[in-house]
Parts: sequence; structure tokens; C-alpha cells
Amino acid sequence: AQSVTQPDIHITVSEGASLELRCNYSYGATPYLFWYVQSPGQGLQLLLKYFSGDTLVQGIKGFEAEFKRSQSSFNLRKPSVHWSDAAEYFCAVGAPEGSYIPTFGRGTSLIVHP
Amino acid sequence: DAGVTQSPTHLIKTRGQQVTLRCSPKSGHDTVSWYQQALGQGPQFIFQYYEEEERQRGNFPDRFSGHQFPNYSSELNVNALLLGDSALYLCASSLVTDYNTEAFFGQGTRLTVV
Repeated sequence: AQSVTQPDIHITVSEGASLELRCNYSYGATPYLFWYVQSPGQGLQLLLKYFSGDTLVQGIKGFEAEFKRSQSSFNLRKPSVHWSDAAEYFCAVGAPEGSYIPTFGRGTSLIVHP
Repeated sequence: DAGVTQSPTHLIKTRGQQVTLRCSPKSGHDTVSWYQQALGQGPQFIFQYYEEEERQRGNFPDRFSGHQFPNYSSELNVNALLLGDSALYLCASSLVTDYNTEAFFGQGTRLTVV
């Protein structure tokens, strides 16, 4: 079974600073990988996804993530954080076989200081 | 397109009662998945419905049951509510024939069991 670890429960950055949120997954083959964002009181919005191909994936809102098979990682990055990026971020892994059922990490809460 | 809609948005129930949550998928989607998100945790997969049948199920007791209607909308039923069932319940819709299709999430139903 697949699993996801997000080692940082909270991350605090200053507005304009760069951001990297860590995600490590466990799965025997090449997984489907996702990053979602959840603002307070809202559902989840997909930021980006990796299924195959280029290991550097561009997403919405200026986010990108890099799949590193050797490290079983899929870290999310943004070069310059905006105050509106403050939210909860979830990494998820899905098995390619069968239906689309992502397994989520526990999330990282991003706090942005002015 | 209204996206995924869930009702009600908030609900308070007493231990031992039964509850029904509702979800209308995004237009064109035929698959509905339900997730439970406890406070401070990532979403946990409950089950998925396609063609009015339960396709896959997560590690949840039989107190959790569901239904999908011919118009693809879905209900989640929870019997004999426990305090631990208090959570945000998220519905996600997708298209089963296309694994590259993004799963869209609703805003969720906040269930409080007292």
C-alpha cells in the first residue's frame, strides 16, 4: 500500500521569500503524485500532478514540484511567496493501477509573515 | 458549472443518531469518492462509487455506507454516530475512464457529534 510523509507540520516564511514543502512517498512502482491546497473552510484544490515524463512539474499559482525517484520525494516549491499562499498543503500519492484513489499526507500548514 | 456541491455545510448530531450527507458531482463526472478529514489530519478515503456500485473501500466500519444515483449524485450515510466521527467530510468527483482527469473536491460538510 502507498503512503505519504510530510515531515513539517508548520512552515513559516516571510512574504517574498522562497518556499519548499517536503513530501516523501512509499510505493513499489512509479506513482501518481499530487499537491493540493486547502484554504480555511474550503475543499481541496489541485496545484499540480505528476503521472510520467518530465520530472519537474509546473502548476497553478506559480508552484512547481520535482519528482526524485532516488529519494522517493516530490517537494513543492515557489520562488516568492505571497500572503494569499497561507493555507494547508497536502501531498498525495495514487497507484496507477485500478481507479484514482489518492492517499494523503497529514498536511503542512504554511504561515506567511508580512 | 457549479463544480462539486455538498450539503449541508454544517451539521450537529447526537451520539447514536444517523446522518446523511449529499454530494452532486461536477458536470460530466461519473465517479464520486468520499473522504473523512479529522482536525489537523489529511483526508482519509472512505469509499468510491461508480455506476451506482461501491468500487473501492477504505478502512472504515460498516456504519459508513453510501449510495450513488443514476444522475451520479451520491449520499454518505453514517449510523450509530460516535464522537470520533466528528470531522469534515469531503466529496470528490472524477471521470473513471481518464486517470489523468483531476478529481474536484467540494467544500465539505462539517459534522459535529455531541
